[in-house]
Amino acid sequence: GAGVSQSPRYKVAKRGQDVALRCDPISGHVSLFWYQQALGQGPEFLTYFQNEAQLDKSGLPSDRFFAERPEGSVSTLKIQRTQQEDSAVYLCASSPNTVQELQFFGPGTRLTVL
Amino acid sequence: QQQVKQSPQSLIVQKGGISIINCAYENTAFDYFPWYQQFPGKGPALLIAIRPDVSEKKEGRFTISFNKSAKQFSLHIMDSQPGDSATYFCAASRSTGANSKLTFGKGITLSVRP
Repeated sequence: GAGVSQSPRYKVAKRGQDVALRCDPISGHVSLFWYQQALGQGPEFLTYFQNEAQLDKSGLPSDRFFAERPEGSVSTLKIQRTQQEDSAVYLCASSPNTVQELQFFGPGTRLTVL
Repeated sequence: QQQVKQSPQSLIVQKGGISIINCAYENTAFDYFPWYQQFPGKGPALLIAIRPDVSEKKEGRFTISFNKSAKQFSLHIMDSQPGDSATYFCAASRSTGANSKLTFGKGITLSVRP
């Protein structure tokens, strides 16, 4: 049984570049969450999907951040015109529909913006 | 306002000792309280979780104690081992409603000395 996978594991971007981060949730998991983890901090909620519907995007820090899950499985978090303050680990988590709060995390993508 | 606060910020324990990590929360609507363990370069992994209808839950060497009136819960690690050295996060969420997003504390670094 594969867990949540994320790619790339590491991404270095120059300031102003666009980046796309991918999340493959556990098969059959309906709910998908994105979190941002700054160095030395706990993860902070960004956005939430139930199937393909984005039900909550209240944690996205700016309109440069965009997430999608078009077929209700794989999700992509896109950051446009990256800034240095975007440097963080981006974590994806998925959960079964029956117990949404039971979240399984992927290894994260470490984004460094130079 | 930080909704979930952890203490202490770091902890050093001798092998075989008891590690105790505390967490306090603000939002009385929270009804699910997990502890996550994170190793460097990995995503958070669920250790143990509790709901407010019980005051204590034990799984192996890990015990959560919950005090609803004080809005506090704690993690006890019995017979601490060097392999337990990691960062520990408490979190909280609402299991009802459309979004069971987790609100995390800042984390504490536990070092277990041989």
